[in-house]
Amino acid sequence: SAVISQKPSRDICQRGTSLTIQCQVDSQVTMMFWYRQQPGQSLTLIATANQGSEATYESGFVIDKFPISRPNLTFSTLTVSNMSPEDSSIYLCSVELRESYEQYFGPGTRLTVT
Amino acid sequence: GENVEQHPSTLSVQEGDSAVIKCTYSDSASNYFPWYKQELGKRPQLIIDIRSNVGEKKDQRIAVTLNKTAKHFSLHITETQPEDSAVYFCAASTEGGSQGNLIFGKGTKLSVKP
Repeated sequence: SAVISQKPSRDICQRGTSLTIQCQVDSQVTMMFWYRQQPGQSLTLIATANQGSEATYESGFVIDKFPISRPNLTFSTLTVSNMSPEDSSIYLCSVELRESYEQYFGPGTRLTVT
Repeated sequence: GENVEQHPSTLSVQEGDSAVIKCTYSDSASNYFPWYKQELGKRPQLIIDIRSNVGEKKDQRIAVTLNKTAKHFSLHITETQPEDSAVYFCAASTEGGSQGNLIFGKGTKLSVKP
């Protein structure tokens, strides 16, 4: 597997502000992803973080709202911009191991927007 | 696109009994099917996966079966224990894992009563 960390683990933010979430993995991985999990619900893929190029967003998610960076093979950030209470959720990064294609999740960032 | 249906949404069993969770998928091109266990407040953990070239896979008390013709796969937990209580998610990938675009079911909350 892989050791994945996220920062911050939780935050409470005011409406209209932005928060950047960091994801760090202990080994080089090709694929990194960002998911959202609303309380009591399943996981929804926001985007694939591509190293050296723009992220690939899923339907319903746009770059202006969720800009993503992937400067190298072990690190990525997700920004939640111009937040509203509807953005309150858990945001998780995940990585896919090259050898097995298994996907592992970070511990998540619990975001509350007031 | 891919759609994954998961049943039941809740499942309660007595300790020692077996539990079965079923998922169906819509895209016949899907060829990678992982299962995740998520305990309250924790990240999803990969517990077992199966690829479309295999009909069944077992790991101790956990087994997964795949029926490609019917496009469904199931998780079987035998000799359940209270620590098996969690939410279980199935997922399917249209890219065989190489692109990692997992589509998740809505989850099954399993309760194991001692």
